[in-house]
Amino acid sequence: SQTIHQWPATLVQPVGSPLSLECTVEGTSNPNLYWYRQAAGRGLQLLFYSVGIGQISSEVPQNLSASRPQDRQFILSSKKLLLSDSGFYLCAWRPDEAGYTFGSGTRLTVV
Amino acid sequence: KNQVEQSPQSLIILEGKNCTLQCNYTVSPFSNLRWYKQDTGRGPVSLTIMTFSENTKSNGRYTATLDADTKQSSLHITASQLSDSASYICVVNYLSGAGSYQLTFGKGTKLSVIP
Repeated sequence: SQTIHQWPATLVQPVGSPLSLECTVEGTSNPNLYWYRQAAGRGLQLLFYSVGIGQISSEVPQNLSASRPQDRQFILSSKKLLLSDSGFYLCAWRPDEAGYTFGSGTRLTVV
Repeated sequence: KNQVEQSPQSLIILEGKNCTLQCNYTVSPFSNLRWYKQDTGRGPVSLTIMTFSENTKSNGRYTATLDADTKQSSLHITASQLSDSASYICVVNYLSGAGSYQLTFGKGTKLSVIP
């Protein structure tokens, strides 16, 4: 079966520390993968998407970066976190044009 | 500009009551519309998907309607349960000018069902 895994579920990090969030997909190959951020009271904001290994597109300028080291692995990173990076981060896989399957999310709190 | 507007922003109802959530969109050309349910601290889960030709689709106690002419959709929840407490997100899929399909997300309606 096709599943998407995202971890960790929650994370508290100090300002200036690095970040690494991981997302993996099972049961499919060459998936389109996405990172979204969801701020309180706001909609989902697309951060990055990837259509293949090493192919990353950034939707908004920010303190974050993404990498696709393997076909079914998508990583969200930062070298130095800012307070404004706090939020709920969602990895998503798009199996078809109709919509997404989302990961369970990571609640990041930068203190 | 392609937009999806949801109302109300938040809603509190008593357990057992019905409610209706609204979604208006300006997206064009329209491909399909999905309603997602997002429990607090979790990722969104798809409830229904509707294409241009579909007016109504049900998934248990959830019934979605679509009026493609007025660009409106609604999600009706019947006999609400405490577990229905969540955010409900409307997502519209459309064909972009570049020839690829894009998704536009509403900000969601936060539903609280109280005993």
